[in-house]
Amino acid sequence: DTGVSQNPRHKITKRGQNVTFRCDPISEHNRLYWYRQTLGQGPEFLTYFQNEAQLEKSRLLSDRFSAERPKGSFSTLEIQRTEQGDSAMYLCASSPGQVDGEQFFGPGTRLTVL
Amino acid sequence: LAKTTQPISMDSYEGQEVNITCSHNNIATNDYITWYQQFPSQGPRFIIQGYKTKVTNEVASLFIPADRKSSTLSLPRVSLSDTAVYYCLVMFSGGYNKLIFGAGTRLAVHP
Repeated sequence: DTGVSQNPRHKITKRGQNVTFRCDPISEHNRLYWYRQTLGQGPEFLTYFQNEAQLEKSRLLSDRFSAERPKGSFSTLEIQRTEQGDSAMYLCASSPGQVDGEQFFGPGTRLTVL
Repeated sequence: LAKTTQPISMDSYEGQEVNITCSHNNIATNDYITWYQQFPSQGPRFIIQGYKTKVTNEVASLFIPADRKSSTLSLPRVSLSDTAVYYCLVMFSGGYNKLIFGAGTRLAVHP
C-alpha cells in the first residue's frame, strides 16, 4: 500500500500524559500537513511542512503541541500534558510539490483523553 | 474573517444529480478550490479541484463563477455509495494559517 499511513490508529490516554503520533507520507511528496478533526466538524489545520522545514503553525495551536519531520520523510506530532479537549481525530496528509490543495489523507489517529 | 459556508445536510435519491455549493468570500487570488469526500472513520478523499470556470473529471464537475466567491460541486447520478460528508477546502489570503475546510455537507442518498 503506497498511501499515507498513520500510527497508532487509536490512542487512549489519561489527562496529563504525553502522546506521540506518527505519519508516513506518500514517498516523494514533499509537503506534509497535520489536521485535527472533532465530531461533526471539518478538519482544522494545525501545521505544515515542506520537506523538513515547518513553514506554518496555526495560531490556534497550543504550545503543548509540537511536530517534527526529520529528513523530510515521516513526521511526528507530540501533545504534552494532554487535556480532555485534545480528544479528536488527528489527520495527516501529504501532497506533491506543485499544487496546494490536492492532498492525500491518511486514516487518522483517534485520541481519547480520559 | 476567513470562512467558508456550506449547507449542513442534503438529501437525494439514487440516479439524481446533486449540487453542493460552498461560499468563500475572501479566497486568495491565486489559489485553488478543492473538494473532498469523507466516510465515517476515514480520512478525506480528494474529489476535484479547480481555479475558475468549469472542471470535470470521471466522478464530478466543479463550477466556479468569475468572482470566485463560491463554487458548486456537481455529482451526476448519485448512488447509495455517495452517502458521505463533502467538504470544500480553500486557502484565504495570508498563507497556510488560513487553509480552511468548510464544516461539511452531509449528503444522504436514498433508494
